[in-house]
Amino acid sequence: AQKVTQAQTEISVVEKEDVTLDCVYETRDTTYYLFWYKQPPSGELVFLIRRNSFDEQNEISGRYSWNFQKSTSSFNFTITASQVVDSAVYFCALSEAGGGSEKLVFGKGTKLTVNP
Amino acid sequence: DVKVTQSSRYLVKRTGEKVFLECVQDMDHENMFWYRQDPGLGLRLIYFSYDVKMKEKGDIPEGYSVSREKKERFSLILESASTNQTSMYLCASSPPWTDPPYEQYFGPGTRLTVT
Repeated sequence: AQKVTQAQTEISVVEKEDVTLDCVYETRDTTYYLFWYKQPPSGELVFLIRRNSFDEQNEISGRYSWNFQKSTSSFNFTITASQVVDSAVYFCALSEAGGGSEKLVFGKGTKLTVNP
Repeated sequence: DVKVTQSSRYLVKRTGEKVFLECVQDMDHENMFWYRQDPGLGLRLIYFSYDVKMKEKGDIPEGYSVSREKKERFSLILESASTNQTSMYLCASSPPWTDPPYEQYFGPGTRLTVT
C-alpha cells in the first residue's frame, strides 16, 4: 500500500535560516509521482512541484530545492534563506501511475513557522 | 488562473442535519475531489469524480455522499451530520488523467463545525 511519512510535525526557524522538510514514501510500483504542496494560512493548497520516479535529478527553483533519492525512498524539500512568507503547512504526496487514477496519498504535513 | 470556489468558508450545523458543501471550478476539469483535513491526519480522500454523474469512493466515504450533475460542480453531502464530521473540507479539481498526471487545484476550504 502507498504511504507517505512526514516525520516532522512542526518546525520553527528564524528568518534567513535554511530549513529542510523530510518526506519518506512507500510504494510497490516502479512508476510513481511525488508532489509537494504548500498550504498558507489562507487554507488553499498550492502546488509546488511534481517529480516522476525515473528522474532523480535534484530540482532548484529560486530559494526552493528538492532532493529525490530512490535508494532511501525520500523526497526532501529545502528552503534556503527562509522568509516569513514561507510560513505554512507543507504536504508531500504520492501518486501511482497507470490504472487511470489520479488519486493522491498525502503525508500528514509539516507546519513551518519562520520567525522574523 | 484556475479557480476552485467553495460555497462557504465557515459553516456551523447541528447533529442530524443534512449538510451540502458545494464546489465549483471554472477550468472545465474532468476530475474533481473532496478531502477532509484533520490535525495530525493530513488530507484524506472522501470521494472523487472523473466525469459528470460518475463517482468513486475514496479512503473514508462512510457518512458521505456526492453529486455531480454538471461538470463544473461537485457537491459533498452529509446525510445526517455528526460531531465526528467536524473538520476542514477541501475540494480540488484537475484535468483528465494523463501520464504524468496533472497537479490538483484546490479551493480555499470549508471549515465545518457540527454541534
